[in-house]
Amino acid sequence: DTGVSQDPRHKITKRGQNVTFRCDPISEHNRLYWYRQTLGQGPEFLTYFQNEAQLEKSRLLSDRFSAERPKGSFSTLEIQRTEQGDSAMYLCASSFWGRNTDTQYFGPGTRLTVL
Amino acid sequence: ELKVEQNPLFLSMQEGKNYTIYCNYSTTSDRLYWYRQDPGKSLESLFVLLSNGAVKQEGRLMASLDTKARLSTLHITAAVHDLSATYFCAVASAYNNNDMRFGAGTRLTVKP
Repeated sequence: DTGVSQDPRHKITKRGQNVTFRCDPISEHNRLYWYRQTLGQGPEFLTYFQNEAQLEKSRLLSDRFSAERPKGSFSTLEIQRTEQGDSAMYLCASSFWGRNTDTQYFGPGTRLTVL
Repeated sequence: ELKVEQNPLFLSMQEGKNYTIYCNYSTTSDRLYWYRQDPGKSLESLFVLLSNGAVKQEGRLMASLDTKARLSTLHITAAVHDLSATYFCAVASAYNNNDMRFGAGTRLTVKP
């Protein structure tokens, strides 16, 4: 078990470009979450999957954002036509739903800078 | 709407001293988590509290939960420099387990 991994760790892009991030959860975990964290704030929920089904999306997730988890394993988060306000740390977490605690384990994050 | 407030937001303390971080939340919850985040790093799970009166301890940190008061505390005993980090509480709504809200975090600095 190597923990949750995310790729890339850093991404710098120009406004208007599309970006895609990848998250590989802990292998036995059936839930996968995406959060956004800005400087000095706690993580804000964006969306989550149970297996391959996307079960909930936050109002923060505009139409420019899309997430997939095609085979119930890794997930991608795509942001189209990036804006400067999208600059943030994007965190992925996974958990095993069915255990009492449902503790979410976080990846190292992808720091996005939109110029 | 579930709201989570932590205080203080900034805490500077000397090694060897004790202090408490508070986490208040606004609606019924059946799960409360404490996480630690070092600068530039991700979040590390510290404690999960599931019931009223729950108390968990790990080293110099002790977390407790009072569901009636909608309050959790993270108590630091005899602080050491290695505890310097940002501490977040996160609360899962009892009505929607997927609605987990984080507090703004308490940035702790322990000075020698």
